[in-house]
Amino acid sequence: GNSVTQMEGPVTLSEEAFLTINCTYTATGYPSLFWYVQYPGEGLQLLLKATKADDKGSNKGFEATYRKETTSFHLEKGSVQVSDSAVYFCALSPSGGYQKVTFGIGTKLQVIP
Amino acid sequence: DAGVIQSPRHEVTEMGQEVTLRCKPISGHDYLFWYRQTMMRGLELLIYFNNNVPIDDSGMPEDRFSAKMPNASFSTLKIQPSEPRDSAVYFCASSPRTGSSGNTIYFGEGSWLTVV
Repeated sequence: GNSVTQMEGPVTLSEEAFLTINCTYTATGYPSLFWYVQYPGEGLQLLLKATKADDKGSNKGFEATYRKETTSFHLEKGSVQVSDSAVYFCALSPSGGYQKVTFGIGTKLQVIP
Repeated sequence: DAGVIQSPRHEVTEMGQEVTLRCKPISGHDYLFWYRQTMMRGLELLIYFNNNVPIDDSGMPEDRFSAKMPNASFSTLKIQPSEPRDSAVYFCASSPRTGSSGNTIYFGEGSWLTVV
């Protein structure tokens, strides 16, 4: 079956530090890949996505590249801010019509001033 | 544009009582999902609908849980009778018809349920 593995948190960084949150997946075919973010007290919202191999999704300074050869979709940001403190979820959506989206366990990020 | 709207935002109820959570999906979306989020289990898909028809309810924990979607703009998740272990955040979400851009899911802000 499909699965998503992401690093467990929490991750604590100082403001302006470089962020990497690892995500690897298992799926057949060519799934679409997503990063969702959940701020405290809110629902999940889409941060970025990529729908085919070698695509790079980007938003709000975050980036992730769809690597088919390593089945990875790592999230990166060059300089984090306190406002980036949230829980980040990696997810995949199978190809070929609608099937259930699979979410990772979520990685909590805390950025300290 | 209005997002997914859930009510109530917070609910505290006594064990054994019936709980009804409500959801209005984004207009025009064909898919509706109910998720549950807890510290122990993370985010779990309970059930999803396509064009108001339940497609997969394999995530519904037991018969105490039921979900309906009487029309394209309204869904309910009911727990009867409620138990303390049902305490969680329940998210409703919707998604447009599958397209080439992948299945982006739009979440509501959640209903925070506490059963005492």
